[in-house]
Amino acid sequence: SQQGEEDPQALSIQEGENATMNCSYKTSINNLQWYRQNSGRGLVHLILIRSNEREKHSGRLRVTLDTSKKSSSLLITASRAADTASYFCATDAGVTGGGNKLTFGTGTQLKVEL
Amino acid sequence: ETGVTQSPTHLIKTRGQQVTLRCSSQSGHNTVSWYQQALGQGPQFIFQYYREEENGRGNFPPRFSGLQFPNYSSELNVNALELDDSALYLCASKGVRNEQFFGPGTRLTVL
Repeated sequence: SQQGEEDPQALSIQEGENATMNCSYKTSINNLQWYRQNSGRGLVHLILIRSNEREKHSGRLRVTLDTSKKSSSLLITASRAADTASYFCATDAGVTGGGNKLTFGTGTQLKVEL
Repeated sequence: ETGVTQSPTHLIKTRGQQVTLRCSSQSGHNTVSWYQQALGQGPQFIFQYYREEENGRGNFPPRFSGLQFPNYSSELNVNALELDDSALYLCASKGVRNEQFFGPGTRLTVL
């Protein structure tokens, strides 16, 4: 089952604009990660934020985490056509046996138009 | 440093058959996970292997099984294929900060 949900399901913006995607989840977590997926192929790790962190930056990406609301947001500034992809949040809550199980949301499809 | 690779890229099987998918982890990564991604959905965790032992499993039946080898490469085996097993199967190796490095996936179609 999916842990979380991304909002919106689809987003279409013009190049140069900012894109904001939101993610909600249900259980306590160790960390939350954002991934990008192009055309149904492998996922690319973008950024990881730990449960004791509130905000993190990486290049044009800004991620916030509110554990009291069980929500996160991903902001992509000055978007480019190459940012067109599906974006997923994934929570890591650990798993019996000591492993790491990522639980993914349903994804946001971002389209950046020229 | 090589990335995660998977083979084959595409595979077509019929109901009831068995399939083996393969994955080579990123160099130096000893933990590998497998995920199933149905069309239009997020990936779902199947299981994880660490040093050749399964150390976590998602909500998948026993006909989904795996192996990890001493060189940290891995296999996913699925027996008695069902139509609903049609999906993209992703392998991922774990980095030092718990991020996952995903391979390009194997697209399995069950007819």
